[in-house]
Amino acid sequence: KQEVTQIPAALSVPEGENLVLNCSFTDSAIYNLQWFRQDPGKGLTSLLLIQSSQREQTSGRLNASLDKSSGRSTLYIAASQPGDSATYLCAVARWRRTNAGKSTFGDGTTLTVKP
Amino acid sequence: EAQVTQNPRYLITVTGKKLTVTCSQNMNHEYMSWYRQDPGLGLRQIYYSMNVEVTDKGDVPEGYKVSRKEKRNFPLILESPSPNQTSLYFCASSPWEGPYYGYTFGSGTRLTVV
Repeated sequence: KQEVTQIPAALSVPEGENLVLNCSFTDSAIYNLQWFRQDPGKGLTSLLLIQSSQREQTSGRLNASLDKSSGRSTLYIAASQPGDSATYLCAVARWRRTNAGKSTFGDGTTLTVKP
Repeated sequence: EAQVTQNPRYLITVTGKKLTVTCSQNMNHEYMSWYRQDPGLGLRQIYYSMNVEVTDKGDVPEGYKVSRKEKRNFPLILESPSPNQTSLYFCASSPWEGPYYGYTFGSGTRLTVV
């Protein structure tokens, strides 16, 4: 059974700091890995998607990497801003042929960026 | 606007009274899925559908039913709700056949069963 862990559970940083959020998974047979942002009481907004054949994806101040062999992904946020405060979740979609359609989410890292 | 629409956003109901939470997407996506989110337990998959008339269980399907009679709609049915189904529910869709796309989520339905 796939398990996804995100560390730390919470993180507080001063504005302007670069930071890294971690996501680890136990089964490397994945289809893709996706990072989401969730604001309190709201839905999930997709940030970045990395296919199993890719090593990283970038969007603005965000960079996500994927190392399937070690079962790890990182989300790098450059020059953090108070507006980045939210919970960040990673989700692993399982390999299409054996567990097509199933996905597993981490519990998230709650980020607070202080002005 | 491309989106996933869930209704209602908030619902309070009593134990045993059947209810349906609707989910509709306008992106012609093949794949749709339901999740529940609970404090300390994260997001857990309830049911998913790879296409019309094709549905399968996720990790926590007990007490729920789904149907996929049309591509755009994927309702979640609670035949006899119980208090342990009080949760925040999300519907998501994806063009599963496209390898470079991920999930689009609805805004959520907060359900309280008393």
